[in-house]
Amino acid sequence: NAGVTQTPKFQVLKTGQSMTLQCAQDMNHEYMSWYRQDPGMGLRLIHYSVGAGITDQGEVPNGYNVSRSTTEDFPLRLLSAAPSQTSVYFCASSYTGWASGRDLSYNEQFFGPGTRLTVL
Amino acid sequence: SQKIEQNSEALNIQEGKTATLTCNYTNYSPAYLQWYRQDPGRGPVFLLLIRENEKEKRKERLKVTFDTTLKQSLFHITASQPADSATYLCALDYEAGSYQLTFGKGTKLSVIP
Repeated sequence: NAGVTQTPKFQVLKTGQSMTLQCAQDMNHEYMSWYRQDPGMGLRLIHYSVGAGITDQGEVPNGYNVSRSTTEDFPLRLLSAAPSQTSVYFCASSYTGWASGRDLSYNEQFFGPGTRLTVL
Repeated sequence: SQKIEQNSEALNIQEGKTATLTCNYTNYSPAYLQWYRQDPGRGPVFLLLIRENEKEKRKERLKVTFDTTLKQSLFHITASQPADSATYLCALDYEAGSYQLTFGKGTKLSVIP
């Protein structure tokens, strides 16, 4: 298994440009999420999804869009980049619900390697 | 509003000693708490999960306690090694039983040989 993969690793944008950060997982996880990590702020949840076709906002959703058309992929779109979106972005996935009599709702999250984005 | 605090931004300890990291929370009744390790330039990696009805969890040299009365979790690394140097994050379910996690800002642990 490749686990959670993210592309690109690094990206520089100019203010106003748009781009999509890619995230994919091959573990058949229902739950996927996007975080941003800034110095002194910790990890903050942007958007999340509990399954294909279902997405919802996290703590800091403004300026970002997501969609979930397949179980494997969860892209994050920046429609008009701003310097305040300079950050490191992490995608994560986990199981949900029940399987084989075990409650997976509290399961560990698997993180990708991150995308370092700079907006000039 | 909900708040998660990790006791210090940085902690230095001597190799072989026990490192103890603290995670406190307020305005919150989590169903579980998780600890992650993050190395520079990498994503967090899961270490341990402890549920609200569990007092203590162990995994090799790691031990986590969870006191819902004090609203506190302690994370211990015994016989610490320089390879344990990293940032350690605690995380709680955003709402009891939800899949969303709210993270603390982390404690950077440095184990000095």
